Amino acid sequence: GAGVSQTPSNKVTEKGKYVELRCDPISGHTALYWYRQSLGQGPEFLIYFQGTGAADDSGLPNDRFFAVRPEGSVSTLKIQRTERGDSAVYLCASSLYGRGGSSYNEQFFGPGTRLTVL
Amino acid sequence: AQTVTQSQPEMSVQEAETVTLSCTYDTSESNYYLFWYKQPPSRQMILVIRQEAYKQQNATENRFSVNFQKAAKSFSLKISDSQLGDTAMYFCAFRDDRDSGYALNFGKGTSLLVTP
Repeated sequence: GAGVSQTPSNKVTEKGKYVELRCDPISGHTALYWYRQSLGQGPEFLIYFQGTGAADDSGLPNDRFFAVRPEGSVSTLKIQRTERGDSAVYLCASSLYGRGGSSYNEQFFGPGTRLTVL
Repeated sequence: AQTVTQSQPEMSVQEAETVTLSCTYDTSESNYYLFWYKQPPSRQMILVIRQEAYKQQNATENRFSVNFQKAAKSFSLKISDSQLGDTAMYFCAFRDDRDSGYALNFGKGTSLLVTP
C-alpha cells in the first residue's frame, strides 16, 4: 500500500479482555516498530522487528504484551488481561532497513489505534 | 539512557510570523540522529526535518530549519512564515546507533497553534 495502515482505528474493550491490534507496513520494509502514546506524552518504544524476529522487545511493559510478525510483513500486537492503564494510542512504524542498513533509515508511521479500556 | 526534553508544552504564533520550538537532549553517545515530527489531530506522525550529529551545518527544509548546538545538546526548530496548517503537536526525537536498534526516543511534545 501507499503507507502504513493500522486496524482498527479505535478499539473499546472491557478490563480483563484480550485485544489484538494489527499493523500493515509499507511493502518491502524490513523493519517494523510498535510505540505506545499515552495522553499528553510522546510515543514510547515497545518492540522492534527485523524481518520475522523481534530484535528488541525491551520496551514491552510486562508479559501481558506480546507481538508477532510471522511472515515478515503484517504484525499483530496482542494484549492479554487488559487494564485501564493500557488505554493509549498504539502507533506502528516501518522502515526500509533495520540494524546494519542505511544510517538514516526514516521511520514511516501509521495513524495509530486508539485503545480504550473501560 | 537518553532523555529528550521539550520545555514548552504550548506555543502560539500568528500566521506569517516565525516561531521557535526548543528541545534539549542528554546522551553520552557521539554519533546520533535528531528529528522533529509533526502530529496533527489525525494522529499521523510526519517527519519534518532531521539532523545527523556529525554534520555541523544546520538542516533546512523549506520553511523549517533547525539550530543544532551539539556542545549544548540543544536542537531547536524554527518555523518561518507560519501557516494555519502548521497547527499540530511537534515532537523532538533522538536516535543513536547502538546495537539496540533504531528505536526513536521522543520528548513530550509542544502543541503549536497558528492563529489567523
